[in-house]
Amino acid sequence: DAGVTQSPTHLIKTRGQQVTLRCSPKSGHDTVSWYQQALGQGPQFIFQYYEEEERQRGNFPDRFSGHQFPNYSSELNVNALLLGDSALYLCASSLVSTEAFFGQGTRLTVV
Amino acid sequence: AQSVSQHNHHVILSEAASLELGCNYSYGGTVNLFWYVQYPGQHLQLLLKYFSGDPLVKGIKGFEAEFIKSKFSFNLRKPSVQWSDTAEYFCAVNIRNTDKLIFGTGTRLQVFP
Repeated sequence: DAGVTQSPTHLIKTRGQQVTLRCSPKSGHDTVSWYQQALGQGPQFIFQYYEEEERQRGNFPDRFSGHQFPNYSSELNVNALLLGDSALYLCASSLVSTEAFFGQGTRLTVV
Repeated sequence: AQSVSQHNHHVILSEAASLELGCNYSYGGTVNLFWYVQYPGQHLQLLLKYFSGDPLVKGIKGFEAEFIKSKFSFNLRKPSVQWSDTAEYFCAVNIRNTDKLIFGTGTRLQVFP
């Protein structure tokens, strides 16, 4: 039973570019959440998708957007990248109101 | 705004020492509580969780945590740590029925043989 898988594992982008990160949830899970973890910090909630709709959103600008597909996989898009967007991006999957399972993350470096 | 505080940023212990990591949250309503662990190079894994019932919860690898509602605390304990417990530990809460996890800044635990 595959856990949460994320791709790519590492990514280097230039300021101003756009990036798409991908996540496949754990089998049987229908809810996907995205978190940003800066160096030395705890993960910060970006948003959550359920039934292909954004259900909740954290304090992140509109440059951060997402999508959930009918198979429950999800994408996180970040436009107009800033140096401060450099972080580990974590995807977590769950069933509604149960504990979240996390993927390995995508390490994004903006130069 | 809701927040989670972890007061110990870096803890260094010798094997067999006892461990207690503090966690406090700020929210007056009903919450679910979690401790996650991140071993070097690995993903976040759930150590234990509290949803309701007995406030003393036991998790994997001999860890336990006690929910004290009056103190808004959920401290993590282990009576005897091992070198393999070296990792980053995160306390997290979510407000019941929201599923949004709010994490503390983490505690880096180093255990020396």
